[in-house]
Amino acid sequence: AQKITQTQPGMFVQEKEAVTLDCTYDTSDQSYGLFWYKQPSSGEMIFLIYQGSYDEQNATEGRYSLNFQKARKSANLVISASQLGDSAMYFCAMTSGGSWGKLQFGAGTQVVVTP
Amino acid sequence: GAVVSQHPSWVICKSGTSVKIECRSLDFQATTMFWYRQFPKQSLMLMATSNEGSKATYEQGVEKDKFLINHASLTLSTLTVTSAHPEDSSFYICSADTGPRDTQYFGPGTRLTVL
Repeated sequence: AQKITQTQPGMFVQEKEAVTLDCTYDTSDQSYGLFWYKQPSSGEMIFLIYQGSYDEQNATEGRYSLNFQKARKSANLVISASQLGDSAMYFCAMTSGGSWGKLQFGAGTQVVVTP
Repeated sequence: GAVVSQHPSWVICKSGTSVKIECRSLDFQATTMFWYRQFPKQSLMLMATSNEGSKATYEQGVEKDKFLINHASLTLSTLTVTSAHPEDSSFYICSADTGPRDTQYFGPGTRLTVL
């Protein structure tokens, strides 16, 4: 069985600073995908970044980067130069193996960006 | 591209009535769509996988007779909550794959309140 863990229920970050959101995972599958989604108060799920288990380089998308440490089974999200609009709930999710497509989500981390 | 819509965005109904929620992929064809449920302050939980032209696959603990899923075309999946009760009040979100091993994109969600 696969499992996603986000240990930070919430955090404050000052505008323009970088923030790292932790995510660890557990799976016995060799092939898996890791995702980060942002959920603002409106409820929509916004895709941020994807990392495949066979990708050798860390994924980056604009101000978002994924620190993928396969041996440690961690996939932390780094948001650089935080903006007020980054305030939201952030979810780490995983899909793997024969159940590819089914996403299992972590508990989420609430980020509040302060001026 | 990769836009998923849901209708309605919110619905309030009386206990015992049935509610239909539509999920559409607007600019791509989705062989597979997924339905999730999110209770307040909680993470998303996968309810079922909807495959075009075949029966949906439900996750353990999800009542298939209560949550009817129909994937009538490559761009439309519907979730019907039959005989809704207050405990079914939740945020229902669908998602669709843009292709095998590709990113999932989410609809904006439907907030269901059963009185």
